[in-house]
Amino acid sequence: DAGVIQSPRHEVTEMGQEVTLRCKPISGHNSLFWYRQTMMRGLELLIYFNNNVPIDDSGMPEDRFSAKMPNASFSTLKIQPSEPRDSAVYFCASTRDWAGGYTFGSGTRLTVV
Amino acid sequence: GQQLNQSPQSMFIQEGEDVSMNCTSSSIFNTWLWYKQDPGEGPVLLIALYKAGELTSNGRLTAQFGITRKDSFLNISASIPSDVGIYFCAGGSNFGNEKLTFGTGTRLTIIP
Repeated sequence: DAGVIQSPRHEVTEMGQEVTLRCKPISGHNSLFWYRQTMMRGLELLIYFNNNVPIDDSGMPEDRFSAKMPNASFSTLKIQPSEPRDSAVYFCASTRDWAGGYTFGSGTRLTVV
Repeated sequence: GQQLNQSPQSMFIQEGEDVSMNCTSSSIFNTWLWYKQDPGEGPVLLIALYKAGELTSNGRLTAQFGITRKDSFLNISASIPSDVGIYFCAGGSNFGNEKLTFGTGTRLTIIP
């Protein structure tokens, strides 16, 4: 079991640029979650998918954020255009039919300058 | 929206001491979970609780699901250096592929 794999681990970009974060969930897990972690706001749920379908995107901060899950083994979170206040650690997590909690990836630390 | 308040925010203890932290909510949850986050990594699940009043242990860790379903506590006995990290509680409201609300975290530091 390779766990939830996120890439890149670190991303530094200039304000206004497009940023794409990637996630590969654990094989067999059918729910995928994107979280953002900051010192001020802690862990915030942005969006989650079940069987590749977006179920709840109420946490997506604004239209600059979008997420896709084209198949069961891949998801992306895109920010376009990026702003300095988007700087945070973004986590992807997956689970299989609520088997007892999520498995988190190691996160992507995003810095927008 | 739902909020989970964790206390204390931070703890400084000596190795070997017992630790106690708790989490309270303004809303009822049907599941409570406790996670630990090491620096540079994602949170890792420690204990999951599914029934009000449930008391569950995992090694030196013990957690309870409050009878009112609005709180939970986590105890760590005989702390060791690898216990250092941030501990998060999380609550879930609906069964099946549910989203979790995370607490604000308790940062545990062990003083040499």
